[in-house]
Formats: sequence, C-alpha cells, structure tokens
Amino acid sequence: QKEVEQNSGPLSVPEGAIASLNCTYSDRGSQSFFWYRQYSGKSPELIMFIYSNGDKEDGRFTAQLNKASQYVSLLIRDSQPSDSATYLCAVKGSGGSYIPTFGRGTSLIVHP
Amino acid sequence: ETGVTQSPTHLIKTRGQQVTLRCSSQSGHNTVSWYQQALGQGPQFIFQYYREEENGRGNFPPRFSGLQFPNYSSELNVNALELDDSALYLCASSLYKGQGDEKLFFGSGTQLSVL
Repeated sequence: QKEVEQNSGPLSVPEGAIASLNCTYSDRGSQSFFWYRQYSGKSPELIMFIYSNGDKEDGRFTAQLNKASQYVSLLIRDSQPSDSATYLCAVKGSGGSYIPTFGRGTSLIVHP
Repeated sequence: ETGVTQSPTHLIKTRGQQVTLRCSSQSGHNTVSWYQQALGQGPQFIFQYYREEENGRGNFPPRFSGLQFPNYSSELNVNALELDDSALYLCASSLYKGQGDEKLFFGSGTQLSVL
C-alpha cells in the first residue's frame, strides 16, 4: 500500500511569513512529486512539480525533495491571505505505475 | 480554467439508484482519470482510461465503472448507490507520454449526495 502522509493542519501563518508544508511518502521508488492547491469548494490546481533531489523555485513557491528521507516540502514565501487553501501532495510511484497517490492535504490559513 | 468540463455540477440521488457522471477532457489530452474526494480527505483514485481502455484501477468495487470515448471524453457510472458514495467526484485529464511526469488537470467536479 503506497502511502502519502500530510499533517491536516490547519497551519496558521501571518501575512508576509514563510509557510512550510511537508509531505512524506512510503514508496522509495517514487519518481514524480506534485503539489496541488485546492480552494474551498473548488477543484485541485497544479502549482508545482519536482523530479530531482534539491530545490525547485517558481515565484514565491519552492518545492524541496529529499528522496533519501522520502519527503517533499513546499515553501511559500511572503504568504498572502489569498494563499489560504488546502495543499495536496501527490506522488507517482515506481514499477510502471503512472497513477499518482494523493495525501489528505494540509489546510493553510494566512491571516492579515 | 483547465478546459476540463464536468456535468452535472450537483446531483442528489437516493440509495440504490444509479448515476452517470460525464467529463470532457482538455484539448490534446488522451487520458482521463476519475477521483473521489470525501469531505476533508484527499482525492482517492477510482480508475484511469487511456485510448478507451482502463489503464489502472483503485480500490473501488465493480459497481464503479467507466467509459472513454474516441473523442477522449469519459463517463463514470455508479450502480446501487450507497450513502458513503456521497462525495465530490473529480475528473482529471492528462497527456500520457509514458514518462511518468504527466500532470493532471482537474475539472470543477460533480458533488454527489446520496440520501
């Protein structure tokens, strides 16, 4: 059973702070890692993906991957109230499976 | 806007009934995946269709079935509805290239309530 674990939160940060969201996964052979943002009542929207160990930056978002420790994280710099949403981590495993497994998501609240 | 459209947006059914949900994939995409998302949970994979064939299935009973049509649109059928089937049903389209890096683009979902 391939598992993706996220703290459900809520994670509450003040406006302008760095929000750090974490995700661990059980399948050591996992190859591709995705972060989706889901606003309340809406569908998930892809915001970041990463395949290689290290950091990948896109605007205010940075994805960090550590395959040895089997975790992937998402940093949001200069957090804004509009970043308040649930952030879903998705992991695509090994063995020819291209079906991503989603975590339950972490709720982020950015307060003014 | 992802270009993935789902219908209907909301649906109310009673236990034991059957339901069909529909999805039109984004232009240029060849793969459709269906997910069930219960309140407060992450999306759970139901199945995926590629070139009109089922390409993977999650831990859902056979009363969940699907189709993909030549234009890559898709249907999700659920028979003998149960109360626990109440959830948001998400369709996601992608372009399968066999490289494992395909990104999912979700439709707005169908909210199904079973009474």
